[in-house]
Amino acid sequence: AIRMTQSPSSFSASTGDRVTITCRASQGISSYLAWYQQKPGKAPKLLIYAASTLQSGVPSRFSGSGSGTDFTLTISCLQSEDFATYYCQQYYSYPPITFGQGTRLEIK
Amino acid sequence: QLQLQESGPGLVKPSETLSLTCTVSGGSISSSSYYWGWIRQPPGKGLEWIGSIYYSGSTYYNPSLKSRVTISVDTSKNQFSLKLSSVTAADTAVYYCARWVVAASHPNWFDPWGQGTLVTVSS
Repeated sequence: AIRMTQSPSSFSASTGDRVTITCRASQGISSYLAWYQQKPGKAPKLLIYAASTLQSGVPSRFSGSGSGTDFTLTISCLQSEDFATYYCQQYYSYPPITFGQGTRLEIK
Repeated sequence: QLQLQESGPGLVKPSETLSLTCTVSGGSISSSSYYWGWIRQPPGKGLEWIGSIYYSGSTYYNPSLKSRVTISVDTSKNQFSLKLSSVTAADTAVYYCARWVVAASHPNWFDPWGQGTLVTVSS
């Protein structure tokens, strides 16, 4: 199985900050990567697919990049509604589909 | 707008079988553009893919759960279902159903997701 490792596992930031979350795959996955946002008590929501394609309706302050084994999710100007947990998911090789362990973004 | 809704018992006894159904509304489960999947999340932990099914009945299962999992589809009811046998406390989780989007003949990302249902395994 392809292992997805996110860093950091959690961190604090302030509204207006630019933040970057990293996801590393245990082997190359081309651009077969998605990012999700999950708020407490809610289902995950798709933000980005194909590593860098923004899902319809997602604010443009979110962006994704990377290919191969290293990927990033960037939020250019944090808003209060962005404080949540973020997950990456690979769909290059399955079964199994695998997710990163999550990155919790908290208010400083 | 497509919506998914999980249903089933919220409490299951150890060693018994967990059974959940996902009802799809606002679209057809028989679309060739999608698979349909189950993902779970233990309290306070991350996401684990359980398995997925195509309207034809073709399935993918997580090898770590494969011996205990059965996913089926009922196209007449626009539903798909999950059965997980011999449950233990480790199977306590929020269970989500989701649409698995096919692109370039390849299932890819999950969108949208159901709201999730908490299943507790306890005697």
